Amino acid sequence: KNQVEQSPQSLIILEGKNCTLQCNYTVSPFSNLRWYKQDTGRGPVSLTIMTFSENTKSNGRYTATLDADTKQSSLHITASQLSDSASYICVVSAARDAGGTSYGKLTFGQGTILTVHP
Amino acid sequence: KAGVTQTPRYLIKTRGQQVTLSCSPISGHRSVSWYQQTPGQGLQFLFEYFSETQRNKGNFPGRFSGRQFSNSRSEMNVSTLELGDSALYLCASSEQRGGYEQYFGPGTRLTVT
Repeated sequence: KNQVEQSPQSLIILEGKNCTLQCNYTVSPFSNLRWYKQDTGRGPVSLTIMTFSENTKSNGRYTATLDADTKQSSLHITASQLSDSASYICVVSAARDAGGTSYGKLTFGQGTILTVHP
Repeated sequence: KAGVTQTPRYLIKTRGQQVTLSCSPISGHRSVSWYQQTPGQGLQFLFEYFSETQRNKGNFPGRFSGRQFSNSRSEMNVSTLELGDSALYLCASSEQRGGYEQYFGPGTRLTVT
């Protein structure tokens, strides 16, 4: 069964500090892994997308890593700001399988709720 | 380009009623996917439409249905509403199937009483 597990469930840090969020997945066949940021009451916004051949990708203060061998990804946030308070969701997309049924199917993690305090 | 728009933004219905939600994708995007988000289950995939055809479907009962029009706008319908259908319903659009670059709308908050 395809699964995406994120840790920790929630995290509280002080403004200016760094943090790392984890994502483990069992989706197969693998196509790409995405990190989304979702502010309360709004739709998710894409931070990074990584394919099998990419092991790191940055978007400003956000840096995602991917280890396709161990099926793990992390999202590192540098010099956190109050506006980083949100839910961070790891999503894995399946590639086309022999039957063509998995193509594009997304499996979502439960998210990590990050709270940044001043 | 304008982003993904969803209407209505908020909706209150009673059990047993039906509801139709609307999603207008980004201009030029032909794929529209629908998701249900609840505090307990997180984001769950409902279905994906591409060129007016349902291409992928999640594990939801037949009460949940959708369609896509020739202009790529999509509607989602839920019949015989249950309390557990209370959720944020999100739609996302992308140029191609599989949604490599997928953009989400703000969602429709449905409350079933």
